[in-house]
Amino acid sequence: QKEVEQNSGPLSVPEGAIASLNCTYSDRGSQSFFWYRQYSGKSPELIMFIYSNGDKEDGRFTAQLNKASQYVSLLIRDSQPSDSATYLCAVSDSNYQLIWGAGTKLIIKP
Amino acid sequence: DGGITQSPKYLFRKEGQNVTLSCEQNLNHDAMYWYRQDPGQGLRLIYYSQIVNDFQKGDIAEGYSVSREKKESFPLTVTSAQKNPTAFYLCATKPTDRGLSDTQYFGPGTRLTVL
Repeated sequence: QKEVEQNSGPLSVPEGAIASLNCTYSDRGSQSFFWYRQYSGKSPELIMFIYSNGDKEDGRFTAQLNKASQYVSLLIRDSQPSDSATYLCAVSDSNYQLIWGAGTKLIIKP
Repeated sequence: DGGITQSPKYLFRKEGQNVTLSCEQNLNHDAMYWYRQDPGQGLRLIYYSQIVNDFQKGDIAEGYSVSREKKESFPLTVTSAQKNPTAFYLCATKPTDRGLSDTQYFGPGTRLTVL
C-alpha cells in the first residue's frame, strides 16, 4: 500500500528560527511532491511543489527532495506566528492521484 | 469572483437521511475530487472525475454517490448507508488529468455533523 508518513507533532519552534518539516513516502514511482498549509477549520492551500531532486526556494520556504532516500522536506526560515498551522505533504502516484500524509502541526512561539 | 465554491459551509444530518454537498468551479479545470478529512488523519479520496459524465471510486466510496453532468459541478451525496459521515468534506480541482502539472486546488469545505 502506498503511504506518506509525517510526524504528527506538534513541532514547537521559536519565532525567527527555522522550522523543518519532514515527509517520507513509499512509492518509488512518485514524481510530484507537494506541501500544503492548513489552518484550523480551513481548507488546505498550496505552499510549494517540487519535481526534481535538490532544493527549491520560494521566499521564506525551501522544499528539499531526495528521491533515492524517498523523503521530502520543507524548511521555513524566519518563522512567524502566522506560520502556525498543520502542514500536509502529498505525493502523486503513477496514476497522478495524490496520496496524503496526516500532517504535522507546527506551533511558532512568540 | 473566480474559484471553487462549496455549500453549505455547515450541514447537519439526521439518522437515515441522504444529504447532498455542492461543489462548483469556474476555473475551467477538467478534474474534480471529493475528499473526507477526519481529525488527525490525512485526506481520504471518496470519488474523482476527470471528464464530464465519467467518475471513479476512490478509497472510501462506500455510502457516497456523485454525478458529473456539467464540467463546473460535482455534487456529492452522502447516503444513509454511510454509517459514520461526521467529517470535513473537501472538494478539489485540477487543471489536467495527466502530467506533472497535477496541483490540486481546494474549495472552502463543508463540515457535516450527524445529529
